[in-house]
Amino acid sequence: KNEVEQSPQNLTAQEGEFITINCSYSVGISALHWLQQHPGGGIVSLFMLSSGKKKHGRLIATINIQEKHSSLHITASHPRDSAVYICAPHSNSGYALNFGKGTSLLVTP
Amino acid sequence: DVKVTQSSRYLVKRTGEKVFLECVQDMDHENMFWYRQDPGLGLRLIYFSYDVKMKEKGDIPEGYSVSREKKERFSLILESASTNQTSMYLCASRQNTEAFFGQGTRLTVV
Repeated sequence: KNEVEQSPQNLTAQEGEFITINCSYSVGISALHWLQQHPGGGIVSLFMLSSGKKKHGRLIATINIQEKHSSLHITASHPRDSAVYICAPHSNSGYALNFGKGTSLLVTP
Repeated sequence: DVKVTQSSRYLVKRTGEKVFLECVQDMDHENMFWYRQDPGLGLRLIYFSYDVKMKEKGDIPEGYSVSREKKERFSLILESASTNQTSMYLCASRQNTEAFFGQGTRLTVV
C-alpha cells in the first residue's frame, strides 16, 4: 500500500503570502493529483502530474518522481484559497487512488 | 460539463434503513470507487470496481456492499444503516492517469 504523508496538517497564512504544501509517498507512482475541498463542498481536481511542474494561475505543482515527493505552491494567497488540499498518488500497481489526509489552509485578510 | 454525478448532496436516514448511494459517470471509465471521508482519517476506500459486475473490497468494506450493473453506474449500499456510517461519501472514476470526483454525499444516520 502507498503510504502518503502530507505536511503541514494545518496552515494559517496572511493574505499575500507564498504557501507551500508538501506530499511524500512510499511506492512508485504513475501520476499524482492535487485536490481542493472547500468547507462543506465537493472535491475538485486541481492538477494531475506525472513529471516536472504545472502552473494554473497562482497555483504551481511540482513532482520529483525519484524522491517520491510533490509540492503545491500558492503565490499571492487570498482568503478564497482557504480550503483543504489533498494529494492523491496513483500507484504503478493496483487500481485505487491513495489519498493524503489533507492540509487545512486558512488565509486571513 | 459534469463528469461524475452523485445522486444526493445531503441525506438523512434512520438506523436500520437500507440506503442506496448512486454514482454515474459519463466518461466511459472502467474504474469506479467509493470512499468515505471522516475528520482526522481522510479519505478511505470502501469498494472499487474495475469492470461491469466486478468489485473489490477496499480498506473498510464492512457494513457496505456495491453494485455495478452498467459501466456508467456504481452504487453503494448500506444494508442496515448505523450511526457510525454517518460520513461524507465520495465517488470517483479513473482511467489511466485521468480521475474525476463527484461532489460528495453527506449522509447522516439518526
